[in-house]
Amino acid sequence: SQQGEEDPQALSIQEGENATMNCSYKTSINNLQWYRQNSGRGLVHLILIRSNEREKHSGRLRVTLDTSKKSSSLLITASRAADTASYFCSLQGAQKLVFGQGTRLTINP
Amino acid sequence: DTGVSQDPRHKITKRGQNVTFRCDPISEHNRLYWYRQTLGQGPEFLTYFQNEAQLEKSRLLSDRFSAERPKGSFSTLEIQRTEQGDSAMYLCASSPRLAGETQYFGPGTRLLVL
Repeated sequence: SQQGEEDPQALSIQEGENATMNCSYKTSINNLQWYRQNSGRGLVHLILIRSNEREKHSGRLRVTLDTSKKSSSLLITASRAADTASYFCSLQGAQKLVFGQGTRLTINP
Repeated sequence: DTGVSQDPRHKITKRGQNVTFRCDPISEHNRLYWYRQTLGQGPEFLTYFQNEAQLEKSRLLSDRFSAERPKGSFSTLEIQRTEQGDSAMYLCASSPRLAGETQYFGPGTRLLVL
């Protein structure tokens, strides 16, 4: 299956703490993308990491990719209440994106 | 606003009725995608256009579903004879010419079939 699987399915932390989400997959990939979805809204692209890259940063976000282990992680540092959302990793399958079930992150004030 | 727009944002219909959704992609993007998302799940691919050509359709897209992109700009997704199982969020996304580029999503149309 080309689908990524996020872990954990749900994560609840205190504001200011770091949040780490993981994505595992089974096929070879060209790139892996992380998206965020606030409740009832569309998806917002966060980071795209290509198969020849190991780490990328964007503001408080850090994504790593280990192609030997077929896994990726998304780290959000110094979390804020506004980070409360579902986070999805997606694999590029030909033209379409294939999404997992996501990690539901809750930031408690 | 130059993002992807979708209309309507919400639709409530009775079982058996037909519904049509519209998506306006980012103007310079030639690729347009439709996804469906049910509660607690990630989006699932439905179909994809490059310009006006529909190049791929998922097996999820039954005969009751049809999508068009007549002039390579906006797209419509029609569901005929709606069923309760069609209740979901329908998401549209667009991307530039190059494969593997980021997809930009619209806010979605939430459909409830009673």
